[in-house]
Amino acid sequence: DAGVIQSPRHEVTEMGQEVTLRCKPISGHDYLFWYRQTMMRGLELLIYFNNNVPIDDSGMPEDRFSAKMPNASFSTLKIQPSEPRDSAVYFCASSLGPRDLEGYTFGSGTRLTVV
Amino acid sequence: AQTVTQSQPEMSVQEAETVTLSCTYDTSESDYYLFWYKQPPSRQMILVIRQEAYKQQNATENRFSVNFQKAAKSFSLKISDSQLGDAAMYFCGEGTYKYIFGTGTRLKVLA
Repeated sequence: DAGVIQSPRHEVTEMGQEVTLRCKPISGHDYLFWYRQTMMRGLELLIYFNNNVPIDDSGMPEDRFSAKMPNASFSTLKIQPSEPRDSAVYFCASSLGPRDLEGYTFGSGTRLTVV
Repeated sequence: AQTVTQSQPEMSVQEAETVTLSCTYDTSESDYYLFWYKQPPSRQMILVIRQEAYKQQNATENRFSVNFQKAAKSFSLKISDSQLGDAAMYFCGEGTYKYIFGTGTRLKVLA
């Protein structure tokens, strides 16, 4: 397996624009997670899915953020409208569940810069 | 609520020496897992070591070992015989279905 695939690797956008981040989890993994990494807050869990269903979105900072998982092999995180304070690295991760001995498998992340 | 605290933003260690990174956590769960992940400059998140909370024996992976104190909710990482390649950001995490991570400790290895 190619691992968790995220795109794009880098994204620069202007304030007010819509941004869509994409993630393809490892085949067979039932859980998918979106994290945001900043210097101040470290790794924050935004939302996670189990079998394509959102389970916990309490970490989503504002209504400007939304996430979907239309099928087992694809998820998106959308920010509309984007703001400079959204600048961060966004990670997607997947796993088999709590007893996965490998823990989470993370993607390479998307570095988002909002100017 | 789940919380994870890493109180050392940055640590330094001489090559071949031993260093310990601290982590404390809080959870209301009785069955949970603890992790240390390494993030080198490449940004990739790499699992270093995993501990099941119900196991009393501390996990070890080659030069990496943990000191798990369940009552104190402490989970420190010891790196023995430090190598230049160990330089990275290290994140402590806790959870069952979802993992919560600390703010990270940046480890510098001095030649």
